[in-house]
Amino acid sequence: SAVISQKPSRDICQRGTSLTIQCQVDSQVTMMFWYRQQPGQSLTLIATANQGSEATYESGFVIDKFPISRPNLTFSTLTVSNMSPEDSSIYLCSVGQGPLPEQYFGPGTRLTVT
Amino acid sequence: QKEVEQNSGPLSVPEGAIASLNCTYSDRGSQSFFWYRQYSGKSPELIMFIYSNGDKEDGRFTAQLNKASQYVSLLIRDSQPSDSATYLCAVLFSSGSARQLTFGSGTQLTVLP
Repeated sequence: SAVISQKPSRDICQRGTSLTIQCQVDSQVTMMFWYRQQPGQSLTLIATANQGSEATYESGFVIDKFPISRPNLTFSTLTVSNMSPEDSSIYLCSVGQGPLPEQYFGPGTRLTVT
Repeated sequence: QKEVEQNSGPLSVPEGAIASLNCTYSDRGSQSFFWYRQYSGKSPELIMFIYSNGDKEDGRFTAQLNKASQYVSLLIRDSQPSDSATYLCAVLFSSGSARQLTFGSGTQLTVLP
């Protein structure tokens, strides 16, 4: 199994600022994913973080707003840029290996933008 | 657009009963199917996955897949109050380097003692 930690666990930020969320895994993993879960809703994939190359973004999400880094096989960051209240959500890192791509989720970062 | 539909519930069952959770999906090319459990305030955890038509059993959980009907279900036998959670269905479509895992909106299950 993989143990995932995220920092920060929660934050309250002002409109127009940026926040970088860190995701650390205790083992090397091929695939890392960033999801958003808005209150009372299901999960929406933001992007797949690829080691050694640019992240792959889903429709509706762009690199300028959600830049991602993946410097190695155990770590990734997601930045939420120029935040607005609509960005208030839980951001989740997920990892997978082999045929089970999103096997484990991190504890999440609860972001509130005021 | 690939869609995954679940009855949002809430679904209530008495302790010891069978809870039946259902999910339909729109894309016939979907290949892998997952059930996650999410307790309130917690992150999702993978509890079952199924690739082939038919049933797959793991303890008190049984996943059922019918690709012709584009339908996947999760049965929980001998339901316990600790099973009370939101259950998310997810469907994976992949083709070459492209992949898309789409989650349903979840079904909230309450098991009454």
